[in-house]
Amino acid sequence: SQTIHQWPATLVQPVGSPLSLECTVEGTSNPNLYWYRQAAGRGLQLLFYSVGIGQISSEVPQNLSASRPQDRQFILSSKKLLLSDSGFYLCAWRSSWRAASTDTQYFGPGTRLTVL
Amino acid sequence: DAKTTQPPSMDCAEGRAANLPCNHSTISGNEYVYWYRQIHSQGPQYIIHGLKNNETNEMASLIITEDRKSSTLILPHATLRDTAVYYCIVRVPKAAGNKLTFGGGTRVLVKP
Repeated sequence: SQTIHQWPATLVQPVGSPLSLECTVEGTSNPNLYWYRQAAGRGLQLLFYSVGIGQISSEVPQNLSASRPQDRQFILSSKKLLLSDSGFYLCAWRSSWRAASTDTQYFGPGTRLTVL
Repeated sequence: DAKTTQPPSMDCAEGRAANLPCNHSTISGNEYVYWYRQIHSQGPQYIIHGLKNNETNEMASLIITEDRKSSTLILPHATLRDTAVYYCIVRVPKAAGNKLTFGGGTRVLVKP
């Protein structure tokens, strides 16, 4: 079965510090990978998605960047964090080969980031 | 993706069935209805999805009206662990980017 991991689970960082969040998926190959952010009491905002190694699409101009150095690894980074970067960061995956009737996204446990 | 409308909250008694409604009157022919839930401080959990036929799995049942303008998620025997925010989403599978857009959802509180 497939498993998705995220770490760290929680993070408190000062404004202006760098950021690196990691997401890995097990049990599947060539997944589509996604980074979402969920602000307190708000819905999900898609930040980045990737359909393959080195392929990154950005949905919203951000103080953030993403990379996919390996097939099942997705990294979210920032050089200098802003207060507005605080939130709950979720990684998700979906199979790239599934038929429409079985297509869905599965989420990781999330990383709660607080920027002070 | 078509918009959905859900009641903001509902209570349910433990052991009873929970029926969660969702309106999606502008759904298009190739859009599926998906349900996710999010327990406090956890990532969203996929529950079920369907196109036009009713669907059932180990977690829930999904009833979609014949005109597909609304649906109901049924949790057959609610437990305290089912307390969560439930999101109804309509989307085209395999669309470019494939992002999920969550609305406000329904905050379900299961009471003993």
